[in-house]
Amino acid sequence: GQNIDQPTEMTATEGAIVQINCTYQTSGFNGLFWYQQHAGEAPTFLSYNVLDGLEEKGRFSSFLSRSKGYSYLLLKELQMKDSASYLCAVMDSNYQLIWGAGTKLIIKP
Amino acid sequence: GAVVSQHPSWVICKSGTSVKIECRSLDFQATTMFWYRQFPKQSLMLMATSNEGSKATYEQGVEKDKFLINHASLTLSTLTVTSAHPEDSSFYICSATTGTSGFNEQFFGPGTRLTVL
Repeated sequence: GQNIDQPTEMTATEGAIVQINCTYQTSGFNGLFWYQQHAGEAPTFLSYNVLDGLEEKGRFSSFLSRSKGYSYLLLKELQMKDSASYLCAVMDSNYQLIWGAGTKLIIKP
Repeated sequence: GAVVSQHPSWVICKSGTSVKIECRSLDFQATTMFWYRQFPKQSLMLMATSNEGSKATYEQGVEKDKFLINHASLTLSTLTVTSAHPEDSSFYICSATTGTSGFNEQFFGPGTRLTVL
């Protein structure tokens, strides 16, 4: 079956760095997405990786290793507004998104 | 950027009634729209995929006669929850893309919170 694993919850301090990991097993691979979702709101797009390596976008970076079925989202200079759930999603061979359960990130002052 | 709207934002209804949720792409034509359901503290669950002018494709376990989807135009899809029951209470989110295959970013609507009493 298809499976996306990511930690349920993480806690970090304002101003620090946090890495949220995601491992996946899917039928085919057409890219990996990271979305941010604040409570009660719809997800918003953060990043897309289809080739191995690191994609940097401001305070957020996303890394992909296709051979390991692994990705991480790196958040630097954490701000209180970064408190949210972070969803990892993989597009399979049918171009359908398979969603992880999300990682709730709690930022403490 | 691409904007997707949903209406209503929240709705409370009595058990046994039907509720219609609209999803609109405001500044682009959406050939494909997706309907998701999200229960508290859980991830998004895809309910169905709809392409303009054709019947929706439902995911396993989703009753197509209970969750009616109509994608009549390139900017509008509707989800009707028929004979709603308390267990249907959830956060319903639609998303839209401009293509039917390949990488096409999904643009999400703001969601509709349904509470069935």
